Amino acid sequence: GAGVSQSPSNKVTEKGKDVELRCDPISGHTALYWYRQRLGQGLEFLIYFQGNSAPDKSGLPSDRFSAERTGESVSTLTIQRTQQEDSAVYLCASSTQRWLAGADEQFFGPGTRLTVL
Amino acid sequence: DQQVKQNSPSLSVQEGRISILNCDYTNSMFDYFLWYKKYPAEGPTFLISISSIKDKNEDGRFTVFLNKSAKHLSLHIVPSQPGDSAVYFCAATEAPIKAAGNKLTFGGGTRVLVKP
Repeated sequence: GAGVSQSPSNKVTEKGKDVELRCDPISGHTALYWYRQRLGQGLEFLIYFQGNSAPDKSGLPSDRFSAERTGESVSTLTIQRTQQEDSAVYLCASSTQRWLAGADEQFFGPGTRLTVL
Repeated sequence: DQQVKQNSPSLSVQEGRISILNCDYTNSMFDYFLWYKKYPAEGPTFLISISSIKDKNEDGRFTVFLNKSAKHLSLHIVPSQPGDSAVYFCAATEAPIKAAGNKLTFGGGTRVLVKP
């Protein structure tokens, strides 16, 4: 079956430009997460969606970052006025959020590699 | 501050031998621990997990051990196979509270190379 997909796979942009990254979660997954992985580091949590609301935005690094989600499907992460330190791989994950099973398994997309020149 | 640490950035092991990956954490609120495996240009894939009420969980060649008092966990892969060559991430999460989600806190990863 289809997994989590993300587009574009690669994005090169100039400092100061805005970028929009897209995530298509697995159908039926109510929870959606965005993470960021800088070169040589682990993944950092950015934001969590339950349906189309975002109860936890605590990982967004600045007000240049925003995200939205349409219903229980597509999510977009927008970075305004990009800076070189925004260069990273941005990963999206979705899950069914079955609490009784303990922490639910998050299924990750392949990521979008963002390079800010 | 890094709440989850993997102090070995890389590990090289001979095919058929045991791979041992270590992970330390500082947040005593972490309740559930997971290992993810990542190949280049792909997203991480879930490998195995363990709840804080257990000290061992086994799934085929993969076993995770948790020492809660030491805030330490390890992943054992035996026997190691060339296809196991990848980056392995340790992750932790607090117990889910209502709609707060299960955000994962990741370590920096350990790159494993299994030599044929």
